[in-house]
Amino acid sequence: EAEVAQSPRYKITEKSQAVAFWCDPISGHATLYWYRQILGQGPELLVQFQDESVVDDSQLPKDRFSAERLKGVDSTLKIQPAELGDSAMYLCASSLDRGNIQYFGAGTRLSVL
Amino acid sequence: GQQLNQSPQSMFIQEGEDVSMNCTSSSIFNTWLWYKQDPGEGPVLLIALYKAGELTSNGRLTAQFGITRKDSFLNISASIPSDVGIYFCAGLDILTGGGNKLTFGTGTQLKVEL
Repeated sequence: EAEVAQSPRYKITEKSQAVAFWCDPISGHATLYWYRQILGQGPELLVQFQDESVVDDSQLPKDRFSAERLKGVDSTLKIQPAELGDSAMYLCASSLDRGNIQYFGAGTRLSVL
Repeated sequence: GQQLNQSPQSMFIQEGEDVSMNCTSSSIFNTWLWYKQDPGEGPVLLIALYKAGELTSNGRLTAQFGITRKDSFLNISASIPSDVGIYFCAGLDILTGGGNKLTFGTGTQLKVEL
């Protein structure tokens, strides 16, 4: 069964360091999403791509977060510099197209010390 | 950001019991989804609802899309230990800018006693 792949599964970093997360969506899925999930809450959307273009990054803290999907397939989310409050699960999801069901990866658990 | 209200927040039930949880919103959604999330994993889709009033089943799970389009419920019949986890409802909006937005509920944590 096709899956959304994410790496690493876990990341521990010190504040002010840079971190990067990688996501490979289900093959053929045009839409890719990055979510942040704080412990005890539901996921919240950070950024959405349609192919290689950003269609919604209104909730992305752009002073320290960046995301790219250069060839319209896999994607990278970067935080620089990391802050203590960035500790969370970062989830990637993909859908066949906009409006279709989103399928989630296993996530990257980030701990900032 | 906005989140949907789910209740109950947590449930502790006996194996074999039926479970019911619901989700309410101040906004209308055209699609409702229910996901289950195990510890340290991403959410897994359980049921998708596309039409107001729709009742859909997936094995022991049954979900309904409220006729006001502002609520949904999920029932689990004859619970088993592997039903343990956090259940999230989510409402899907299609945005005018071309994207779409999934708004998640606050989650219901289910614990099953053997």
